[in-house]
Amino acid sequence: DARVTQTPRHKVTEMGQEVTMRCQPILGHNTVFWYRQTMMQGLELLAYFRNRAPLDDSGMPKDRFSAEMPDATLATLKIQPSEPRDSAVYFCASEGAGSSYEQYFGPGTRLTVT
Amino acid sequence: AQSVAQPEDQVNVAEGNPLTVKCTYSVSGNPYLFWYVQYPNRGLQFLLKYITGDNLVKGSYGFEAEFNKSQTSFHLKKPSALVSDSALYFCAVRDPSGGSYIPTFGRGTSLIVHP
Repeated sequence: DARVTQTPRHKVTEMGQEVTMRCQPILGHNTVFWYRQTMMQGLELLAYFRNRAPLDDSGMPKDRFSAEMPDATLATLKIQPSEPRDSAVYFCASEGAGSSYEQYFGPGTRLTVT
Repeated sequence: AQSVAQPEDQVNVAEGNPLTVKCTYSVSGNPYLFWYVQYPNRGLQFLLKYITGDNLVKGSYGFEAEFNKSQTSFHLKKPSALVSDSALYFCAVRDPSGGSYIPTFGRGTSLIVHP
């Protein structure tokens, strides 16, 4: 049963610390999205990659957030330094070429910054 | 620019009754439309989509949706609601004419099915 995996599932950290979230897309999927979900803002697109190349990261605060795909099986989202307003659930989703645009979401990383 | 609206934050329905969750959209070209469901502490899960063809599309768990181009709507429906259908439902739109295929999600509608 192919699925997107994310680690960690939960992260509690203090303001100013670096946070790294990891995502393993479904094998063979070539597009990866990072989303942030909060009660106030709903689901926000932070960045997305196709064939490991970043195509759009306009939704991401550039001064503290960075997203990369070191290889086809790993996507990372880093926050440095973290702030309380970054507290949210971060989702990764992947999509296969020719999948007719269905996204497959991971279980999310719940981040709490104190 | 593309957009999607889910006018209801919450929909309440009794088990066994039909349910409708509303979605309207705005795109410059022909839309690709999607419904996703999110259960507590889980990621979004694909339910159904409209790309082309028959305006009535059927998806998982007995859900269906009707694409109405004149009303720019894509409402989600189910003939008989189950308590287990209680979840957060998201409508999403993609505009292929835009080239980037970035999806835009609605804010979500909480569906509560009462026993």
